[in-house]
Amino acid sequence: EPEVTQTPSHQVTQMGQEVILRCVPISNHLYFYWYRQILGQKVEFLVSFYNNEISEKSEIFDDQFSVERPDGSNFTLKIRSTKLEDSAMYFCASVQGGSGANVLTFGAGSRLTVL
Amino acid sequence: AQTVTQSQPEMSVQEAETVTLSCTYDTSESDYYLFWYKQPPSRQMILVIRQEAYKQQNATENRFSVNFQKAAKSFSLKISDSQLGDAAMYFCAYRSAWTSGSRLTFGEGTQLTVNP
Repeated sequence: EPEVTQTPSHQVTQMGQEVILRCVPISNHLYFYWYRQILGQKVEFLVSFYNNEISEKSEIFDDQFSVERPDGSNFTLKIRSTKLEDSAMYFCASVQGGSGANVLTFGAGSRLTVL
Repeated sequence: AQTVTQSQPEMSVQEAETVTLSCTYDTSESDYYLFWYKQPPSRQMILVIRQEAYKQQNATENRFSVNFQKAAKSFSLKISDSQLGDAAMYFCAYRSAWTSGSRLTFGEGTQLTVNP
């Protein structure tokens, strides 16, 4: 079964450093998402991406965050200058079509620890 | 904006018994989709079941079924014949049918423990 692949599985970084989290969505999927889950809390939407541009972003997704699809396969989330509160699990998801009926497939997540 | 509420932070059930997890949501939309996702200790998000709001019939997937009450904006998950592998965090989620590529909005989650 096709999978969404995320790397790294765990990254430890110092406050103020830049971090790039990578995702390889399922190949025929067109919509891509990043979600965040702080330990013990709910899964929160960050951003959605379609046709090489952001289609929606939440209030969490401020100027410190950016997303990019640098080639035909990768979808990246960059955090420019990490803060302690950015420590969380970050999930990438993709879906084939825009219908709400379509089911998002999630990756296994990238755990980010900011020291 | 849509909101999803899960009022049970933790639930427990004996193996082979039945348990029901509650979820309510708030929306002004008439057409939408509701989901239950399971998150085991590995933290992978796994789809359990999906319900279309325009369907009156409750969705069923093997031991998992939902009780969808559209007027009450309630969407509970029933797990029958609970197994040890069902132990996980369960998230209820909402997705609009009106916006292409719309986000999933999650509830706070319910941690389910299955006792042998």
